[in-house]
Amino acid sequence: GAGVSQSPSNKVTEKGKDVELRCDPISGHTALYWYRQSLGQGLEFLIYFQGNSAPDKSGLPSDRFSAERTGGSVSTLTIQRTQQEDSAVYLCASSQRGGRETQYFGPGTRLLVL
Amino acid sequence: QKEVEQNSGPLSVPEGAIASLNCTYSDRVSQSFFWYRQYSGKSPELIMSIYSNGDKEDGRFTAQLNKASQYVSLLIRDSQPSDSATYLCAGDTGTASKLTFGTGTRLQVTL
Repeated sequence: GAGVSQSPSNKVTEKGKDVELRCDPISGHTALYWYRQSLGQGLEFLIYFQGNSAPDKSGLPSDRFSAERTGGSVSTLTIQRTQQEDSAVYLCASSQRGGRETQYFGPGTRLLVL
Repeated sequence: QKEVEQNSGPLSVPEGAIASLNCTYSDRVSQSFFWYRQYSGKSPELIMSIYSNGDKEDGRFTAQLNKASQYVSLLIRDSQPSDSATYLCAGDTGTASKLTFGTGTRLQVTL
């Protein structure tokens, strides 16, 4: 079946602009995660959604970052007033129920802030 | 101490040899452990998960967990050039399944 999809695949923006990144999880998966991977770095947890529960936002690096998940499916990660240090690959993953369930990753959005 | 630590490598092994990838973790990461493989420019894919002390084998891959010493390893037998990738070790904190990743070890399998 279809895997996790993300759009856009690449995004180039100017410093100070806002960007929106989209994630479509695997159908039926209740858990959705956002991670960030900078060059030469491991994956950094950003935010976690599980069903209708309040999201775990503990990984968001600043208040310029926010995310929402509408209807328990599609999620949007928004970065306001982008900075050069926001340049990274933003990865979305979903799992069936969270917990120890396998997380399946999307192809990522490569963000470059000039 | 970082929560999950790995040697960045590269680890170079000849084709057919055993590749041994290691990962140590802090007290905060204590429940479940995962090994992901990431090819250059691609997203991570799960190779193995391990939750209990001891060994877990799946084909050419064996994951080993030692909770007393706080390390987890991945052995790849009969290494192939297609195994050349970055291997990410991840652990969860037991709550909300948030994974903490190491920076990854780059493996190069040479002909």
